[in-house]
Amino acid sequence: AQTVTQSQPEMSVQEAETVTLSCTYDTSENNYYLFWYKQPPSRQMILVIRQEAYKQQNATENRFSVNFQKAAKSFSLKISDSQLGDTAMYFCAFMKHSPSRLIFGTGTRLQVFP
Amino acid sequence: SQTIHQWPATLVQPVGSPLSLECTVEGTSNPNLYWYRQAAGRGLQLLFYSVGIGQISSEVPQNLSASRPQDRQFILSSKKLLLSDSGFYLCAWSVNSGLSYEQYFGPGTRLTVT
Repeated sequence: AQTVTQSQPEMSVQEAETVTLSCTYDTSENNYYLFWYKQPPSRQMILVIRQEAYKQQNATENRFSVNFQKAAKSFSLKISDSQLGDTAMYFCAFMKHSPSRLIFGTGTRLQVFP
Repeated sequence: SQTIHQWPATLVQPVGSPLSLECTVEGTSNPNLYWYRQAAGRGLQLLFYSVGIGQISSEVPQNLSASRPQDRQFILSSKKLLLSDSGFYLCAWSVNSGLSYEQYFGPGTRLTVT
């Protein structure tokens, strides 16, 4: 069975600094997708970034980028130039196919302070 | 554009009472639909998913049931609520295709069972 592990329950970073959130997963599948979702205090789940396992190039979305290490089954999220609005819970998720459904990690609470 | 609605936003119900949470999607046809639950301080757990009208799959045994009476309507129900049913319930949708991968979440319903 697929599992997703986020080993950092809480992280903090100063505004404008860079922070990396870690995620590891376990699967026997070769083709899959990985995601990072953000859940601010409003509790709305917002897609931050996605990575296709067949792509070697790491995904990037503005200040957000991932370090995808397929062999190590690692999928970390780097937030550059952290902003106060980045304060939220961050969830790593693995997508199972047929039909598509997400397996979530337990989340990392990120606090950005001035 | 597609939108997803959930109601009610918050609900307080006594133990043993029935439950009905509704989710509707606009702007798309034949979506995959999902119900997740998020317990306090925890990650999201997939409860049910549906690939079409009347087609429901359950991920975990529980006190809840789901139904899909219309293409873009997904209902979460219970005949008798338990204290352990308290949590934050999120509905999500995705494109129904072999290569679908992104899920889009509704605003959620906070359920408190007293």
